[in-house]
Amino acid sequence: ETGVTQTPRHLVMGMTNKKSLKCEQHLGHNAMYWYKQSAKKPLELMFVYNFKEQTENNSVPSRFSPECPNSSHLFLHLHTLQPEDSALYLCASSQEGESRVAFFGQGTRLTVV
Amino acid sequence: GQNIDQPTEMTATEGAIVQINCTYQTSGFNGLFWYQQHAGEAPTFLSYNVLDGLEEKGRFSSFLSRSKGYSYLLLKELQMKDSASYLCAAMDSNYQLIWGAGTKLIIKP
Repeated sequence: ETGVTQTPRHLVMGMTNKKSLKCEQHLGHNAMYWYKQSAKKPLELMFVYNFKEQTENNSVPSRFSPECPNSSHLFLHLHTLQPEDSALYLCASSQEGESRVAFFGQGTRLTVV
Repeated sequence: GQNIDQPTEMTATEGAIVQINCTYQTSGFNGLFWYQQHAGEAPTFLSYNVLDGLEEKGRFSSFLSRSKGYSYLLLKELQMKDSASYLCAAMDSNYQLIWGAGTKLIIKP
């Protein structure tokens, strides 16, 4: 069992659909993150939660809506997406401390049609 | 602005040594990370440098020069399984990671 688990691994959705991505971490960390990874581009930080409180929202369109019900679970709710939103969505967690090493899930490969 | 530069792609031969460079510009600095990402998989942590110098960990070593805003990842005795993307990331004063686009390393027999 990996430390950070994401479901589903693959998702194809239409532009009018509503879907949710799920992330669960088993590492006892207190911070969780959503990243977007597009081909040949740097990882884009979308949202950060520390102790279940959202501390970062990097100008992400409102069609992406995060939810963090507890320190182990993180969701990304999707609605009315655009084809350019197709990407790999990565969840990560880390612990407050000197190095704050981030541990990643395997990601959800999202295709918007 | 904040920026990370690393080569897009590199090719090396099995058994050889390769050095992947990374330069960074950040608002404040709280360390430099290297991650490995195989195609279709999660990035996995390789190394963290916050002080100048070389950190060795088996076949992989990472170097940091804070005054030059420069780091490199050195891979020795290359194996085919080392074919992957290598991501450089610098942590700024707000403890946010600024990521490079990654270097795709191709290992040839």
